Amino acid sequence: ETGVTQSPTHLIKTRGQQVTLRCSSQSGHNTVSWYQQALGQGPQFIFQYYREEENGRGNFPPRFSGLQFPNYSSELNVNALELDDSALYLCASSLVGEDTQYFGPGTRLTVL
Amino acid sequence: QQQVKQSPQSLIVQKGGISIINCAYENTAFDYFPWYQQFPGKGPALLIAIRPDVSEKKEGRFTISFNKSAKQFSLHIMDSQPGDSATYFCAAWDDYKLSFGAGTTVTVRA
Repeated sequence: ETGVTQSPTHLIKTRGQQVTLRCSSQSGHNTVSWYQQALGQGPQFIFQYYREEENGRGNFPPRFSGLQFPNYSSELNVNALELDDSALYLCASSLVGEDTQYFGPGTRLTVL
Repeated sequence: QQQVKQSPQSLIVQKGGISIINCAYENTAFDYFPWYQQFPGKGPALLIAIRPDVSEKKEGRFTISFNKSAKQFSLHIMDSQPGDSATYFCAAWDDYKLSFGAGTTVTVRA
């Protein structure tokens, strides 16, 4: 069984740029959620995708967007990067309707 | 606002001692309460979880105590080991998402 994988591991961008982060869900999982974890804080829910559609969204602006593909992998896109977007971005996969989520190792984004 | 409040922010315990982390919530719609362990540079790993119809759950050295009427739950780490040094997050689930506490950094001194 393959766990959740994310790429890249680290990324450095400058303010105003755009970034795409990628996630492959755990084998058999059809739902992907994205979380933002600022340094020293708990993860904050961004959104969830199921059947290639957004299934719920946290308190994040529209410049945070996502995609889910037929193989259940997912992308997180962030436009017009701001300094406060610097964080660890975590992807979690699960089965729809189930509350147990398994997290990937995260992508560390630094915005300069 | 923080939907799950976690304390303490950090704690130091001697090897073999007991670590206790507490969490409180207000939203009665929460129906699943997991604890995650996170090492530096890694993603959170599910440690143990409980549902509100159970007052206690034990897995190895880790025990969750749950008080539904007080809307509080806690993690006890028995016989703490240096390898337990990590940040621990409580969380609560409703509908489709987890709400996390701010985390507790546990340091186990040998």
